[in-house]
Amino acid sequence: AQSVAQPEDQVNVAEGNPLTVKCTYSVSGNPYLFWYVQYPNRGLQFLLKYITGDNLVKGSYGFEAEFNKSQTSFHLKKPSALVSDSALYFCAVRVSMEYGNKLVFGAGTILRVKS
Amino acid sequence: NAGVTQTPKFQVLKTGQSMTLQCAQDMNHEYMSWYRQDPGMGLRLIHYSVGAGITDQGEVPNGYNVSRSTTEDFPLRLLSAAPSQTSVYFCASSYSGVPSGNTIYFGEGSWLTVV
Repeated sequence: AQSVAQPEDQVNVAEGNPLTVKCTYSVSGNPYLFWYVQYPNRGLQFLLKYITGDNLVKGSYGFEAEFNKSQTSFHLKKPSALVSDSALYFCAVRVSMEYGNKLVFGAGTILRVKS
Repeated sequence: NAGVTQTPKFQVLKTGQSMTLQCAQDMNHEYMSWYRQDPGMGLRLIHYSVGAGITDQGEVPNGYNVSRSTTEDFPLRLLSAAPSQTSVYFCASSYSGVPSGNTIYFGEGSWLTVV
């Protein structure tokens, strides 16, 4: 089955320190990978995506993600965490359907940044 | 440009009642979808549409009905609400169902409680 896994329910990091939110995927063919962020009582906001090209993808709010084909991973990173980065983060992969495509989401990782 | 608009934001239903969650987008997107978000399970696709008059089932379609009479609107109907349908519902849209990694845009969510 085509899926994504986020192995950590929660990640805690001190403000100013680098952060990593992990994601691994299992798909057939070339993966199209996405990261979304959800703030409390809000919808999902797009952060970044990997389609092809450079393995390091830069996105919104200073986030970046590194695509690693051999490890089937797409970890989200930020060099210096902010308290305002605290939110729920979802990794997703595109999956083909009969009439188009859909996103399959991981279970989500709560990021808590403490001052 | 309002993006993806969902109504209502909050709703409490009694078991057996029916209701419709409204979703509208003003971006002329062909692809629209409904997801439900449950703790520890990420987002799961309920139904989707690749254009007016075309709908199909996602992962968890039972108990829900959709139609797509216009490009802009994609309502989700709960036929006979059950407590298991207590969830947060997100409507999403994009150009052509993420064929080449088109970004999916989400509404703000609808919190539904069935008692």
